[in-house]
Parts: sequence; structure tokens; C-alpha cells
Amino acid sequence: NAGVTQTPKFQVLKTGQSMTLQCAQDMNHNSMYWYRQDPGMGLRLIYYSASEGTTDKGEVPNGYNVSRLNKREFSLRLESAAPSQTSVYFCASSERDSSSYEQYFGPGTRLTVT
Amino acid sequence: GESVGLHLPTLSVQEGDNSIINCAYSNSASDYFIWYKQESGKGPQFIIDIRSNMDKRQGQRVTVLLNKTVKHLSLQIAATQPGDSAVYFCAENITPPGSARQLTFGSGTQLTVLP
Repeated sequence: NAGVTQTPKFQVLKTGQSMTLQCAQDMNHNSMYWYRQDPGMGLRLIYYSASEGTTDKGEVPNGYNVSRLNKREFSLRLESAAPSQTSVYFCASSERDSSSYEQYFGPGTRLTVT
Repeated sequence: GESVGLHLPTLSVQEGDNSIINCAYSNSASDYFIWYKQESGKGPQFIIDIRSNMDKRQGQRVTVLLNKTVKHLSLQIAATQPGDSAVYFCAENITPPGSARQLTFGSGTQLTVLP
């Protein structure tokens, strides 16, 4: 199993450009999450999806949109990138009905907005 | 130790010594906690978890201690090895009733193992 995969690994955007970060998991998990991680800080939740067909805002949703394409895939879109969105973005998944709350993380996408 | 919003604390230990990484949490109702390890350039990896009905849980070379009275969590790593150098995060369950499971993460502690 590949676990959680993310593409691209690195991206540089100019202010105002748009892009979509892709995430897929092969563990048949119901719940998926997008986080951002800034230097010296923990992970902050942008959006999450409890199950296929549902999405909800997290702590820092402004400037982002998401799509839960199917059970495997959860994408994050920046419609008009801003320098404040320079960060490392992590996708995660978890099993909704498990006794463990563990979230499995992808390798991250390092985004720079100039 | 770490807490949400602080600059990243650092801890340096000699190889072979034991490491103790601390974490303060804010919600006295939190019922579940996880420790993650994040190596440079990688995503966080699960280390160990503990429920609030326990005070201690042991894994391979790691022990998590939970003190609910002072809302404090610690991760102890025995016989620290160079491969243990990483950032360590604690996370607590903040899932609202009826919502998808959610975790909130501390800012992390950078552990450096010295030769």
C-alpha cells in the first residue's frame, strides 16, 4: 500500500495564480483532511471531509476550496494565491469508526507564493 | 515543553541517554492524545497514543505519561538514537459531538541527538 500520496511535491506560484493540490489514499478511509504547516508552528486544519460527499471548514479555510472527488481522493484548490499561503501542505486520512484517532499523513507539498 | 502558539522548543541529548519531551494541553475534557514524529522533509508519523482513562502507556523504547490534574503529557524515549532526531508533536482529540474526528496539534519540539 502506498498510504497517502500527494502531488506535486514542490510548487512555486506567482501572486494571483491558481492551483490544485491532489491527495489520494488507498487505505479505504472515510475521513480526509488538509493541513498547513508554517515554520515553528504545528499543523493547522484547513478543511476536512468526514466521508465521501461531505466537506467542512477547519481552523483556517479562507482562500481555499476543497473537493472530495470520491472516497480515495481529496483535492485542495487555491483560487488566487497570496504570499501568506506560502507553507507546507499535508493531506491526512483516518478511519472514522476505528478505536484509534490516528491520522495517516502524506509527504507534503511545499508551496511558495512570490 | 510545547504548547499551541509558542516558538519551537528544542531539546538536545547525548546518544544513549533518555529523552523527555513535554506537552501542555488546554482542554480538560480531552479524552485522547497522540504523539507524532516528523523527520525533516517528511509528513508526521504516529508514535503512540493514550486515552484519558490511562496514566501511562508503553511502546517500543517509548513511554507516554498523562497527568490530567495539571493537563500535561510527556513522551519518554529510552536510549535515544541518532534516528530519533526529529520534531515531536503532541495532538489531542477535539472532535465536536456528531462531527468528524479532529485533532489539534501542538507546535512541536525539535529533538537533536548528539554523538
